[in-house]
Amino acid sequence: GDSVTQMEGPVTLSEEAFLTINCTYTATGYPSLFWYVQYPGEGLQLLLKATKADDKGSNKGFEATYRKETTSFHLEKGSVQVSDSAVYFCALSRPSNDYKLSFGAGTTVTVRA
Amino acid sequence: ETGVTQSPTHLIKTRGQQVTLRCSSQSGHNTVSWYQQALGQGPQFIFQYYREEENGRGNFPPRFSGLQFPNYSSELNVNALELDDSALYLCASSLQGSSGNTIYFGEGSWLTVV
Repeated sequence: GDSVTQMEGPVTLSEEAFLTINCTYTATGYPSLFWYVQYPGEGLQLLLKATKADDKGSNKGFEATYRKETTSFHLEKGSVQVSDSAVYFCALSRPSNDYKLSFGAGTTVTVRA
Repeated sequence: ETGVTQSPTHLIKTRGQQVTLRCSSQSGHNTVSWYQQALGQGPQFIFQYYREEENGRGNFPPRFSGLQFPNYSSELNVNALELDDSALYLCASSLQGSSGNTIYFGEGSWLTVV
């Protein structure tokens, strides 16, 4: 079945540091890949997505590239801010599975001033 | 702001009771899904409704049931509540057939079972 594996947290960084969160997936066919962010006490917000191989999703300074050859979708940001402190979830969906989202366990990121 | 609204935001129930959670999907979206997010974990798919019919179900027992109404809003019902049902319940809406089929989540309903 479909599965998503994210690097375990928590991750603690200083402001302006470089952030990478690794994500790899297992799925048949050609899934769409997503990063969702969850701020404390809130629901999930779509951060970025990519729907086919070599696509790059980007938003709010975050980027992730869909790598079919390595089945990966690593999230990166060049200079984090305190406001980026949140839990980040990698997820996939497939049209053949009615677009059900399969999530990773989440990575907690804390950015210190 | 995703346009997906859920109610109530927080509630406390006693073991054995029943609960109904509600969701209004984003305007124009015909598909609603429900997810359970236990503390410290990723969301788990419960089921999905498309045009008022269940269209996929995750690994949850039958005491988790749902409805979708003609206006595409939805309810999640859980009977015979157990302590392990304590979680954040997330509703998500989408438009099947759209390119990429982006899924938008509500803020969630926090359920505590005591």
